Amino acid sequence: ETGVTQTPRHLVMGMTNKKSLKCEQHLGHNAMYWYKQSAKKPLELMFVYNFKEQTENNSVPSRFSPECPNSSHLFLHLHTLQPEDSALYLCASSPERGGGTQYFGPGTRLTVL
Amino acid sequence: RKEVEQDPGPFNVPEGATVAFNCTYSNSASQSFFWYRQDCRKEPKLLMSVYSSGNEDGRFTAQLNRASQYISLLIRDSKLSDSATYLCVVNSPYTGGFKTIFGAGTRLFVKA
Repeated sequence: ETGVTQTPRHLVMGMTNKKSLKCEQHLGHNAMYWYKQSAKKPLELMFVYNFKEQTENNSVPSRFSPECPNSSHLFLHLHTLQPEDSALYLCASSPERGGGTQYFGPGTRLTVL
Repeated sequence: RKEVEQDPGPFNVPEGATVAFNCTYSNSASQSFFWYRQDCRKEPKLLMSVYSSGNEDGRFTAQLNRASQYISLLIRDSKLSDSATYLCVVNSPYTGGFKTIFGAGTRLFVKA
């Protein structure tokens, strides 16, 4: 399935590094989401974009910085992360915020050393 | 109270068993409901939508009880491949529209 793609699939970074996660959806959706999922824990919603505008920021630390240049692309810029930020980062899209079904990308498995 | 609550599990069942998961939601104005499946170290994928009249897809049956605000998923004749985490998902009213809320999930282990 190639509806929602994410790159890279795996990322190892040091605490002083700066990296970016990329998400692209080919479904014509208007809403995009970033989720964090730590090992054996539930999904945690981080950010929501609807028609390129950020509509939710669930108290995410500023070391995570989202960017949504258009309805098809979503980035998560990372800097000065902590080891506890190691997790699976999932991108999803839906026709509109809170409407219809969310489709997920395969995720980026991030390890912070 | 959490907005969406699920049986914590894990459920350990033998192959061929019937297993049922329940999920409750707090906002009576919620409008659409889904069950997702998440395999270990993979992304969640839509299993089925849940309709007011109930719906069935092969061995899977989903039901919605609006009066009691709960959703159920029944799996008949469990297969080893059904082992996964099952997520209850609800679209609830939110400022300016709706938001999608995922339950914490229920883990299912089907054993030979």
